[in-house]
Amino acid sequence: SAVISQKPSRDICQRGTSLTIQCQVDSQVTMMFWYRQQPGQSLTLIATANQGSEATYESGFVIDKFPISRPNLTFSTLTVSNMSPEDSSIYLCSVVLTGSSYEQYFGPGTRLTVT
Amino acid sequence: AQSVAQPEDQVNVAEGNPLTVKCTYSVSGNPYLFWYVQYPNRGLQFLLKYITGDNLVKGSYGFEAEFNKSQTSFHLKKPSALVSDSALYFCAVRGNSGGYQKVTFGTGTKLQVIP
Repeated sequence: SAVISQKPSRDICQRGTSLTIQCQVDSQVTMMFWYRQQPGQSLTLIATANQGSEATYESGFVIDKFPISRPNLTFSTLTVSNMSPEDSSIYLCSVVLTGSSYEQYFGPGTRLTVT
Repeated sequence: AQSVAQPEDQVNVAEGNPLTVKCTYSVSGNPYLFWYVQYPNRGLQFLLKYITGDNLVKGSYGFEAEFNKSQTSFHLKKPSALVSDSALYFCAVRGNSGGYQKVTFGTGTKLQVIP
């Protein structure tokens, strides 16, 4: 398994501002993902964070709104830019361990509220 | 396109009784199947997976799941439910045709174990 930490655990932000969420993994991983989840709802994949190259975004998500960095194999950041109340959600970092059968491990999440 | 269906939004079961949480899937080729659990205010945890081999797979916390190829199902089961099993359960699927295949999550089933 992997130990994944996220910072911050929660935040309340004003509309129009930006928040950067950090994800740290205790081992080197090839695949790292960012998801969004409304409380009690399913997960929506935002993007795959690729080490050394641009992230791969899912339909409906764009780099200008959700810029992602992946400077090394243990760390990634997701920025939620120009926030609106619709961005209020839980943001989850997830990894697949190298050599595993693709089960995913998730961070504890960042609960974002935009006012 | 692959998909996962969890037909029950909520399952209620009495403590000590067997529980089943249903999942059906659609994917090209042979599936990789997963169950995850999310306890209140916590991130998702990997429970178990089916990759190949025995159709009955055992996972954490006494849970097991049965892969049924003809019915395209992967139901989660436990012989005797505990109150502490109350949580949100997600089924997930991905294809195994080589390279990275995106994982699709179901909508989740809330399990309520009644004392």
